[in-house]
Amino acid sequence: NAGVTQTPKFQVLKTGQSMTLQCAQDMNHEYMSWYRQDPGMGLRLIHYSVGAGITDQGEVPNGYNVSRSTTEDFPLRLLSAAPSQTSVYFCASGTIETQYFGPGTRLLVL
Amino acid sequence: GQSLEQPSEVTAVEGAIVQINCTYQTSGFYGLSWYQQHDGGAPTFLSYNALDGLEETGRFSSFLSRSDSYGYLLLQELQMKDSASYFCALKERGYQKVTFGTGTKLQVIP
Repeated sequence: NAGVTQTPKFQVLKTGQSMTLQCAQDMNHEYMSWYRQDPGMGLRLIHYSVGAGITDQGEVPNGYNVSRSTTEDFPLRLLSAAPSQTSVYFCASGTIETQYFGPGTRLLVL
Repeated sequence: GQSLEQPSEVTAVEGAIVQINCTYQTSGFYGLSWYQQHDGGAPTFLSYNALDGLEETGRFSSFLSRSDSYGYLLLQELQMKDSASYFCALKERGYQKVTFGTGTKLQVIP
């Protein structure tokens, strides 16, 4: 039981490049979400999903897309990277009571 | 949507007791969760209050009062390893997203 996995751990992008952050969970959770965390800040919700085929926007969705084709996977796409997207990205899955977080992806946009 | 407010920083002495407060503005929610995050790490689940009152898990306890729109995390017998950020979180009824508080950075000093 791996829990929530994220790849890559680190990534450096140039402005304008696109990429996909991968997230997978093996706990059969319907609810999954993506957060970004900037230095010294809290967790801001980007997008979330309540099940396969269902996604919705969070607090800071601009510049990001998501899809949920399976229960297990919830990738986050950066369409055209900007320096303001430099952050640590956490994927989580869980229930009403508990969110299980992946180890995070540290993204630097130059 | 809801907002959850926490003090930004708290300092306490090793061996002492510290209380981290969380105040929220929402009319209905399932329960209040608490998470711990060490620097450079991912948030991890600590405690959940579905009902009003105190929940105890070892050195950590969490309290909820729906009538006062208030909860707190109580850490006893503080250890240096308890130095971390602590977040409250809730899932509001009628909405599908989990929202996290602003976070409290706890520093434990000798």
